[in-house]
Amino acid sequence: QQPVQSPQAVILREGEDAVINCSSSKALYSVHWYRQKHGEAPVFLMILLKGGEQKGHEKISASFNEKKQQSSLYLTASQLSYSGTYFCGTERMDSSYKLIFGSGTRLLVRP
Amino acid sequence: GAGVSQSPSNKVTEKGKDVELRCDPISGHTALYWYRQSLGQGLEFLIYFQGNSAPDKSGLPSDRFSAERTGGSVSTLTIQRTQQEDSAVYLCASSLGGSDYGYTFGSGTRLTVV
Repeated sequence: QQPVQSPQAVILREGEDAVINCSSSKALYSVHWYRQKHGEAPVFLMILLKGGEQKGHEKISASFNEKKQQSSLYLTASQLSYSGTYFCGTERMDSSYKLIFGSGTRLLVRP
Repeated sequence: GAGVSQSPSNKVTEKGKDVELRCDPISGHTALYWYRQSLGQGLEFLIYFQGNSAPDKSGLPSDRFSAERTGGSVSTLTIQRTQQEDSAVYLCASSLGGSDYGYTFGSGTRLTVV
């Protein structure tokens, strides 16, 4: 079953913040986040493991709420280069070693 | 290699023909995955390899689709008797295996069935 991402799309001004959410109805072992720019391959951003800590760099970070089977990606002080489609990939406890991806969140950062 | 290599990058084929898509993963990556992405859509899981074995083929849409991996390296996805609904970008990814590693994706093969 595919995880649900929200919002489907978001438009930001450079410097603004955004949060992208990913939720699953199944128990998860891990959540991955990827960014895909138009016409390019998805690029790995980070992975969050069950029992693990919030991860990320200064301006892009993520959290994983195991009780709710939800993950959130936080983009702070957005830059033009952040534009693209963000996908979460979930690894279920009952179906390990493969990721099921959400339908994506389109992010556009304008000057 | 430095990255995941897929060939061809573009393929136009006539309905009913067979096609083979190739994926060359990163050296040392034991896990290999095939996904399909239709225009503007998400990534649809097709099949997963660990070494040369395919523990999970659950995403293959029909028996027209098959895949193999040899030498723990190169993988081929074969689509027989192609249909227009098979048109999509086919993405291959590899990883070190296990749950703790991210995937590295290739640039994909854009398949168009006419």
